[in-house]
Amino acid sequence: AQSVTQLGSHVSVSEGALVLLRCNYSSSVPPYLFWYVQYPNQGLQLLLKYTSAATLVKGINGFEAEFKKSETSFHLTKPSAHMSDAAEYFCAVRVTGGFKTIFGAGTRLFVKA
Amino acid sequence: EAQVTQNPRYLITVTGKKLTVTCSQNMNHEYMSWYRQDPGLGLRQIYYSMNVEVTDKGDVPEGYKVSRKEKRNFPLILESPSPNQTSLYFCASSPIPQGPNTEAFFGQGTRLTVV
Repeated sequence: AQSVTQLGSHVSVSEGALVLLRCNYSSSVPPYLFWYVQYPNQGLQLLLKYTSAATLVKGINGFEAEFKKSETSFHLTKPSAHMSDAAEYFCAVRVTGGFKTIFGAGTRLFVKA
Repeated sequence: EAQVTQNPRYLITVTGKKLTVTCSQNMNHEYMSWYRQDPGLGLRQIYYSMNVEVTDKGDVPEGYKVSRKEKRNFPLILESPSPNQTSLYFCASSPIPQGPNTEAFFGQGTRLTVV
């Protein structure tokens, strides 16, 4: 069975600093991997997805994630944090050929001025 | 505009009083699902539907019912709400999620409090 682990329920960075949100997955077959962002009082919005076409995936708002099969990781990064990046971020996995998406517990990102 | 609409956005109710949360999508998606979001647990799937009249249990279906009489609507029914169903609920829709390019669209959420 597949699962997702997000390390750190809260991450705090200064404006302009590197953002690194960690995600590790478990899957017996090649997965599809997703990052979603949830701004306050809103639903989830797709940030980026890994579909096996390229290991480094670029998403919206300057975010990117790298799929590392050997480490079963799909960490989300952004070189320079902006105040508007403050939100909750969810990593998710779906196995190829499967219908179900499994979400991680979420990481809340705080950005300090 | 493509969207998933949930109503109400906020609801406070008492234990045992039946309630329905509506969900409607305008994208002609076959697949719809309900999630609850709780701190530290992420999103857990309650029920999902592959198409009209086709529904199935997710990971946490106890205490909930759904129906799919029309493709666009997927209401969530709590026949006898209890305080442990206090949560943030999301409806989502997508084409059948068989591949990576089936992005899920989420509603704005319904914050339910059962007292």
